[in-house]
Parts: sequence; structure tokens; C-alpha cells
Amino acid sequence: AQSVAQPEDQVNVAEGNPLTVKCTYSVSGNPYLFWYVQYPNRGLQFLLKYITGDNLVKGSYGFEAEFNKSQTSFHLKKPSALVSDSALYFCAVSSVNQAGTALIFGKGTTLSVSS
Amino acid sequence: EADIYQTPRYLVIGTGKKITLECSQTMGHDKMYWYQQDPGMELHLIHYSYGVNSTEKGDLSSESTVSRIRTEHFPLTLESARPSHTSQYLCASSELGTDDAEAFFGQGTRLTVV
Repeated sequence: AQSVAQPEDQVNVAEGNPLTVKCTYSVSGNPYLFWYVQYPNRGLQFLLKYITGDNLVKGSYGFEAEFNKSQTSFHLKKPSALVSDSALYFCAVSSVNQAGTALIFGKGTTLSVSS
Repeated sequence: EADIYQTPRYLVIGTGKKITLECSQTMGHDKMYWYQQDPGMELHLIHYSYGVNSTEKGDLSSESTVSRIRTEHFPLTLESARPSHTSQYLCASSELGTDDAEAFFGQGTRLTVV
């Protein structure tokens, strides 16, 4: 079965510092990987996705993610964190089963950016 | 903001009551999903649909049921609510025909069963 893992429940960074939110995946075949962000009392918002091609994917709000096939990772990064980036971040994989495909999410990582 | 709407946003209801959580999207998406988000914030897929009259169970077993009579509408029903059903329920939709399509989420319904 396809799955993603987010090893950190929480990541704390100071404003202006670079941030990394980690994600590893387990898939058979080519992975389709996604990052979403959830602000309090809101639904999830799409940030970026990896399909194929360039290993560095750029997304919304200055975020980017690096796909590493040998390490089966898809870490989310931002060069300079903002306090407003504080939110819950989910990594997801497009999972194929006998009925078709659906997005399967990791357990989420809370990002806290301090001023 | 995505054109996918969930109602109600918040619901407090007594044990044993029947409830229906509404989800509608205006993007013409064939795929729709229901996720349950527990207090630890993890998301679990409970139902999904590939189009009208298509419904499938997700990875997390749920006592809820869904229907898909119209493309834009994907309601979730609990016949008899219990405190264990207390959770946040998120609806989403995406395009059919491609495995790399991103999903668009509604704002969620926070259900409390007392």
C-alpha cells in the first residue's frame, strides 16, 4: 500500500530562518506527491505537487519541495520563514487501489514560527 | 478560495440523532472525497466517489454512509450519532482521469455528539 510519513509532530523556527518540514513516502511505481497547508478552523489548501521532471518543485507562498528518489523523501522548504507560515502541514501521495486513486495523507506537522 | 462548500460549519447534536453533512462543489469535478480529521489532526479517508452513483469506502472504517445522485453533491449521513463520531469532517473534490490532480477542500464541518 502507498503511504507517506511525517516524522516530526512539530517544527519550531525563528522568523527569517529557513524551514524544512520532512516527508518520506512508500509507493510502488511513480509517485505523485503533494503538500497541503491547514490554517486553524479552515480546510486544506494546496501548496505544490511533484509529478515528474525537475526534483525541485516551487509552489505557493514561497514554498518549495525537493523530491529525492534515492531517499524516498519529499521535504517542504522555505528559505525565510514568516510568522504567518505557522500552520499544520500535510504531505500526501496519490494512492492507487483496486477502485482507483485517492489522496492518502501523512499525520501532519505543526509548524510554529516565532517572531 | 476553492468552490466547494460544506454545511453546517459547526454542529452539536445529541446521541441517537440522524444527521447529514452537506458538501457541494461548482467545479464540475467527478471525484469527491470525505475525510475524518481526529483530535490529533491526522486525516483519514472514509469515503470517495468517482462520479454519479459511484461510492467507495476509504481506508478508515466508518459507520457513515454517502450518496452521489448529482455530480455536484456528496452528502454524508450518520443514521444514529454517537459521541465517538465527534470529529471534524472534510469534503474534497478533484478532476477525474488523472492521478496527479490536486484536491480542493471545503472548510470542514466540526461535529460534536453529546
